[in-house]
Amino acid sequence: DIQMTQSPSSVSASVGDRVTITCRASQGISTLLAWYQQRPGKAPKLLIQAASKLQSGVPSRFSGSGSGTDFTLTIGSLQPEDFATYYCQQTNSFPPTFGLGTKLAIK
Amino acid sequence: QLQLQESGPGLVKPSETLSLTCTVSGGSISSNSHYWGWIRQPPGAGLEWIGSVHYSGSTYDNPSLRSRVTISVDTSRNRFVLKLSSVTAADTALYYCARQTLLVISPIDYWGQGILVTVSS
Repeated sequence: DIQMTQSPSSVSASVGDRVTITCRASQGISTLLAWYQQRPGKAPKLLIQAASKLQSGVPSRFSGSGSGTDFTLTIGSLQPEDFATYYCQQTNSFPPTFGLGTKLAIK
Repeated sequence: QLQLQESGPGLVKPSETLSLTCTVSGGSISSNSHYWGWIRQPPGAGLEWIGSVHYSGSTYDNPSLRSRVTISVDTSRNRFVLKLSSVTAADTALYYCARQTLLVISPIDYWGQGILVTVSS
C-alpha cells in the first residue's frame, strides 16, 4: 500500500493567516491526490482532487499543488470556518489510502 | 441532492458480524459511473477505506481487512450493505457510506453522516 505522510500533524493559526499543509506519498502518484476537510462531528468534505482541481463551491482561498510524491494544500486567508482537520488521500492505486490528518486550530 | 444514510446496530459483540445498510436518496444507485463504498474512522483517528461495490455487483475491499468484508448492493431498494465478520474492539469506529465517481480508487464526492459502531461484550 502507498503510505501518505502529512505534516504538520497540527498547526495553530489566526484568522487571516496563510497556512500550508504538506502531504508526501511513499511512491509516485502523479497528480492523483485529493484533499478533504473534516469539521468536528461532521463527515469529510472533498475540497480538491487531481492535486489542484477545486471542487464546485469550494472557496478560491483553497489551492492545491504538487505531483509525484510531494503535495501541498494552501489556505490563502484563514476564515473561522476553516478551522478543521484536513486529510490527503492518494487515488492513484489500489487500495486508496489516507494521511493521518492535520488539525488546524485557532491560535 | 444526493443523500446517503447509514443504519444498523450501534453495538456489536466481539466475534460477531457487523452489518450496516446505506440507503441512497436523490439519485439512483444503478449508475454505471459510480461506486458505492464504506470508509471508517476509529475514535480520534484517521480514515480507512473499507471497500466499494458497483451496481453490477463487482466489489473491491481493502486487503488489510483480511477478507472479512462483504459488500452487496440491492438496486430494488437503492441501497447497499456492509458486512464485517469476526469483529474485535479494533473495529470500533465511525462508519461512513460514500460515493466514488468512475473508479473504485476515485475520490469520495458524497458522504453519509456516519454511524458509530462499538464492539463490546
